[in-house]
Amino acid sequence: ETGVTQTPRHLVMGMTNKKSLKCEQHLGHNAMYWYKQSAKKPLELMFVYSLEERVENNSVPSRFSPECPNSSHLFLHLHTLQPEDSALYLCASSQDVAGDTGELFFGEGSRLTVL
Amino acid sequence: AQSVTQLDSHVSVSEGTPVLLRCNYSSSYSPSLFWYVQHPNKGLQLLLKYTSAATLVKGINGFEAEFKKSETSFHLTKPSAHMSDAAEYFCVVSDGDNKLSFGAGTTVTVRA
Repeated sequence: ETGVTQTPRHLVMGMTNKKSLKCEQHLGHNAMYWYKQSAKKPLELMFVYSLEERVENNSVPSRFSPECPNSSHLFLHLHTLQPEDSALYLCASSQDVAGDTGELFFGEGSRLTVL
Repeated sequence: AQSVTQLDSHVSVSEGTPVLLRCNYSSSYSPSLFWYVQHPNKGLQLLLKYTSAATLVKGINGFEAEFKKSETSFHLTKPSAHMSDAAEYFCVVSDGDNKLSFGAGTTVTVRA
């Protein structure tokens, strides 16, 4: 079993739909992250959770709603998205909130297309 | 504030020839620096990291990087490219405030 698992791998949704992305880590880490990856742009940090508490929220629109029910699971709830939200959404985990260690463990991503 | 600039958006090399990926950074403090690799349809994987120890850092798969403070650079090299090195590479900087800044990435293609 891989360290960080994301489902679904691909998602197509209309602008009025509600869907969720799921992330699960099997590494015993305390911190989890959502990143947005758009073509030829730097990764954008969206949310950071440490021990199930949100510690970072980088001015993300409210149509993205994270949930961290325990240290192994992280969700990203999506509603009334826009076409420009189409991207690869990456989940990552680290032992503690990354700083000097910088070592994040990434899932394979969920490719989201908004029609 | 910290930032990273990857000087090449795309690098193409022949198999068996050297690879050079260039990265410049800016940071208010003594930074930690990292290179990540992303193969097609995969997540990012840590290649190597510099955290104020030896300036020449060796990573996985034969890659290494040299930290040059005077040039604010952290270029990634490999003496001999392999087909499996075709991927996207990201330079990352952290100045210790628990925030990582990613570069825009360099796509490497390897010609047979």
